[in-house]
Amino acid sequence: NAGVTQTPKFQVLKTGQSMTLQCAQDMNHEYMSWYRQDPGMGLRLIHYSVGAGITDQGEVPNGYNVSRSTTEDFPLRLLSAAPSQTSVYFCASSYSYSPLNTGELFFGEGSRLTVL
Amino acid sequence: GEDVEQSLFLSVREGDSSVINCTYTDSSSTYLYWYKQEPGAGLQLLTYIFSNMDMKQDQRLTVLLNKKDKHLSLRIADTQTGDSAIYFCAEKFGNNNDMRFGAGTRLTVKP
Repeated sequence: NAGVTQTPKFQVLKTGQSMTLQCAQDMNHEYMSWYRQDPGMGLRLIHYSVGAGITDQGEVPNGYNVSRSTTEDFPLRLLSAAPSQTSVYFCASSYSYSPLNTGELFFGEGSRLTVL
Repeated sequence: GEDVEQSLFLSVREGDSSVINCTYTDSSSTYLYWYKQEPGAGLQLLTYIFSNMDMKQDQRLTVLLNKKDKHLSLRIADTQTGDSAIYFCAEKFGNNNDMRFGAGTRLTVKP
């Protein structure tokens, strides 16, 4: 099973450039989310989605856009990259409505982004 | 503020017990979690505890929950070098599966 797949694993951008981090899951999970991980700060929620066509903001949404056109895919777009967006980005998914839903998140391996 | 707090570093000798502590924020959290992150990898769920439980044991892992003090701990018995990783405490908040994570405790196991 592939689980949650993120691409690219590494990316270097210049300030002002735009890019899209891709995330796909093959577990038919309704819920998908993006986190960023910074040293000493743990993971912070950027955006999340509870199903196709539905997205909402998390704790740190500024500078990022998302869309959810299918259940499987949840891309994260950086519109105009800034050095403050240098981070490791994780996509995660889970069931939303299963009776056994414990909220367990399944994570991708991460995308390390450097903005110069 | 709304922070999940945990110490950043813990070092133990192989064979000893490790105890990682965490304080969380939301008394209405239904589930509390421990995730493990190995180098270069994403987080994986290690264990979780439902909020109406005080303790949960799973092989070498023991989770203790003190709801009054909003304190969660993870004990790893007979710690092995393969347990070296970053351990994140997390609480579920809101109506979805949004998680609030601590900063992570880096456990180093010395032979």
